[in-house]
Amino acid sequence: GQNIDQPTEMTATEGAIVQINCTYQTSGFNGLFWYQQHAGEAPTFLSYNVLDGLEEKGRFSSFLSRSKGYSYLLLKELQMKDSASYLCADRTNKLIFGTGTLLAVQP
Amino acid sequence: DTGVSQDPRHKITKRGQNVTFRCDPISEHNRLYWYRQTLGQGPEFLTYFQNEAQLEKSRLLSDRFSAERPKGSFSTLEIQRTEQGDSAMYLCASSLVGQIMNYGYTFGSGTRLTVV
Repeated sequence: GQNIDQPTEMTATEGAIVQINCTYQTSGFNGLFWYQQHAGEAPTFLSYNVLDGLEEKGRFSSFLSRSKGYSYLLLKELQMKDSASYLCADRTNKLIFGTGTLLAVQP
Repeated sequence: DTGVSQDPRHKITKRGQNVTFRCDPISEHNRLYWYRQTLGQGPEFLTYFQNEAQLEKSRLLSDRFSAERPKGSFSTLEIQRTEQGDSAMYLCASSLVGQIMNYGYTFGSGTRLTVV
């Protein structure tokens, strides 16, 4: 089966660092995606990990451990506009999403 | 190319009516996906096409739902005899096999369906 778990909500302060965790159990794993979704808008692609380790893209980084079925998204220097839902998704022949983590960035 | 387009953006319909949504993917993308999303949840997979072939349908997709991609370009999703539980955002996404690593799936803005 495919189960993806991530926290429902998180709160962080502007300028801080936040880590959003995601665990998955899947057969036929073929990569782990992170998407950002603002309320009422389409999900937008942030990152894709298929090998173990950390991928850095500006203020956002994503980590994968295939042996542990674990990933995290790291957001640095938080800005108010980072308030959004962050979706973890694993890929077989299509994306299977978790429920998303709603991040609220406070002043 | 302006990305993935969905039409209409909003649809309000009475229970029991049929509705049809359209998705125009990015032109060179060969895969097209339909998802459904309700408030506070992640998108749920419904079905996907590679070119004109429908390769997989979710068990969530009851007999009232049908999707087509007749020429391997745009796609339509039809819901017959709508029920209040069908109220959701219907998202379309497209991708090009071989470019997923760098670009992921590109989503449209969705069609928000409200069944009254």
